[in-house]
Amino acid sequence: QITLKESGPTLVKPTETLTLTCTFSGFSLTGAVGVGWIRQPPGQALEWVALIYETINERYSPSLSSRVTITKDTSKNQVALTVANMDPGDTATYFCVYEQLPGGFNYWGQGTLVTVSS
Amino acid sequence: QSALTQPPSASGSPGQSVTISCTGTSSDVGAYNYVSWYQQHPGEAPKLLLYEVTKRPSGVPDRFSGSKSDNAASLTVSGLQAEDEGDYYCSSYTRSNTFVFGTGTRVTVL
Repeated sequence: QITLKESGPTLVKPTETLTLTCTFSGFSLTGAVGVGWIRQPPGQALEWVALIYETINERYSPSLSSRVTITKDTSKNQVALTVANMDPGDTATYFCVYEQLPGGFNYWGQGTLVTVSS
Repeated sequence: QSALTQPPSASGSPGQSVTISCTGTSSDVGAYNYVSWYQQHPGEAPKLLLYEVTKRPSGVPDRFSGSKSDNAASLTVSGLQAEDEGDYYCSSYTRSNTFVFGTGTRVTVL
């Protein structure tokens, strides 16, 4: 059974750095499959953020690439996302996703709502 | 990269069909056959309906079908059911080796 679960702070202050962790089970980060992050501001559309594979270079949304870093710890089955210099516009539910199928994210975590407010 | 363009809303009566368009560019939708579609119900994580334009993951009914022509893709939901009501998003792989989502379409079953 494949599961993904996001963890991290639910409230951060403007200018702070957010670090979220995705802990997954039921698969290994190998080959061409990737684990990544997608976010959704309240009442708005989905936004792809970043993706990491076993050997392929990390991929980032062009609009966020200057502030976002994705890393993996294969020994712990974890993928982390850091977003620097958080802004109220970064308030969103952050989903961890598994790209098992080509170009398709067929497994999602439950999502975690992160609010940016002073 | 700009979000793919979807109509804000679509509707149909039970049993009817509804088609949602997803318009991109030659750098995303038109570049590869890596277009996927997602359904999202309120308060839930999205669910993958289609990948590689027309392929359905295990468990997705064949009422959901997809197509693509040039820089535009579409999702058709046939035999509309009450549980099909929700938000639908398209997504595409891009020439920059990234992904982009659509603006989303709210489907209402009348």
